[in-house]
Amino acid sequence: DTGVSQDPRHKITKRGQNVTFRCDPISEHNRLYWYRQTLGQGPEFLTYFQNEAQLEKSRLLSDRFSAERPKGSFSTLEIQRTEQGDSAMYLCASSLVSGAGELFFGEGSRLTVL
Amino acid sequence: GENVEQHPSTLSVQEGDSAVIKCTYSDSASNYFPWYKQELGKRPQLIIDIRSNVGEKKDQRIAVTLNKTAKHFSLHITETQPEDSAVYFCAADRGGGADGLTFGKGTHLIIQP
Repeated sequence: DTGVSQDPRHKITKRGQNVTFRCDPISEHNRLYWYRQTLGQGPEFLTYFQNEAQLEKSRLLSDRFSAERPKGSFSTLEIQRTEQGDSAMYLCASSLVSGAGELFFGEGSRLTVL
Repeated sequence: GENVEQHPSTLSVQEGDSAVIKCTYSDSASNYFPWYKQELGKRPQLIIDIRSNVGEKKDQRIAVTLNKTAKHFSLHITETQPEDSAVYFCAADRGGGADGLTFGKGTHLIIQP
């Protein structure tokens, strides 16, 4: 499968714990995006990378959230001191084109904070 | 930032009939308007997109129209089939990756047999 892959697919954690999600984009794609989706809502933009540079961060991304993309390949999204409001599906997407173009989404990582 | 409104939230149509989903956007600088289909428990997948220099685009049973003056765009599905049942999201993008895609809240399309 050469699509976008995310790990883990499901994570249950207790409030206050840290969690980390990984995304492996399509190999030739230089753009990588993180979105958050809650039930009944569309995906909400969190941040994006062009190669290893993090170029945009949403106001939704509090200081408890950090994302990295070392060497411009896979990316990690870490949430520190999780809160119940962090429960959501975290979607990663990648894109090849510069400017606006098709995003290829992964299956997502579902986070449940108890 | 961009704001995308999508209507209706739920749409039920008889198999074989047409379905229309409408979206409005707020940022006149947006120039790319994709539609994504998300089946239950699956990833969103692009079904059609349109850029601001085009008024209409068609791909088999699916078409999208764009009215830049009014800042609205619509998805049209003709001859609906059971496999069209899903949640459909419209989105808008200013290009350059800034803020990424802004999605609507989605329309749950139900095809009645």
